[in-house]
Amino acid sequence: GQNIDQPTEMTATEGAIVQINCTYQTSGFNGLFWYQQHAGEAPTFLSYNVLDGLEEKGRFSSFLSRSKGYSYLLLKELQMKDSASYLCAVRDLQTGANNLFFGTGTRLTVIP
Amino acid sequence: ETGVTQSPTHLIKTRGQQVTLRCSSQSGHNTVSWYQQALGQGPQFIFQYYREEENGRGNFPPRFSGLQFPNYSSELNVNALELDDSALYLCASSSPGQGVRETQYFGPGTRLLVL
Repeated sequence: GQNIDQPTEMTATEGAIVQINCTYQTSGFNGLFWYQQHAGEAPTFLSYNVLDGLEEKGRFSSFLSRSKGYSYLLLKELQMKDSASYLCAVRDLQTGANNLFFGTGTRLTVIP
Repeated sequence: ETGVTQSPTHLIKTRGQQVTLRCSSQSGHNTVSWYQQALGQGPQFIFQYYREEENGRGNFPPRFSGLQFPNYSSELNVNALELDDSALYLCASSSPGQGVRETQYFGPGTRLLVL
C-alpha cells in the first residue's frame, strides 16, 4: 500500500521562508509531486521530483530523497496569497495506472 | 487555467439516485484520471482512462464507473448514491507522451452533495 504523511497545519509570516515536509512509503514509486490548493478550488501543479536533489522554480523549491522516502517544499518570500493547502503526492505504478496518491495536505496560513 | 473543464460545478442529489459527471481534457492530453476529495482530505484516486479503456482503479466499489470518448473527454457515473459520496470530484488530464515527467492537470471540480 501507500502511506504519505505531512503536517496538518503550519503558520508563517509574510516575507519569511517556510518548509513543508512530506514522508512517504510506496512500492511502485515513480515521482513525487507538490500541488497547491486554495479553498474551494482545484489543485494546481507546483513541482515534480523523480531524482534525488533540489528542483527550483522561482520562489518555490522541492527536494527529494528516495532512500529516505522524504521530500520537502520550500516557499521563500512568503506572500499572503500563498495561504493555501499544499498537497504532497506520489506517483505509483502499483495499480497499473500512472495515478497519484495524495497526502491529506498541509494548510499554510501566512500572517502579516 | 489548465484547459480542463468539468460540468456541472455543483450538484445536489438524494440517497439512492444516480449521477453523471463530465470532464473535457486539456488539448493534446489523452489520459483522464478521476479523484474524489472529501472535506479536509487529499484527493483519492478512483480510476484512470487511456484511449477509451480503464487503465487502473483505486479502492472504489463497482457502482463508480466511467467512460472515455474518442475525443478523450470522460464521464464518471455513480449509482445508488450514499451520503458518504458527498465530495469534490476532480478530473485530471495528462499525456503519457511526456514520459517520466507526465504531469496531471486538474479541472475545477464538481461539488456533489448527497442528501
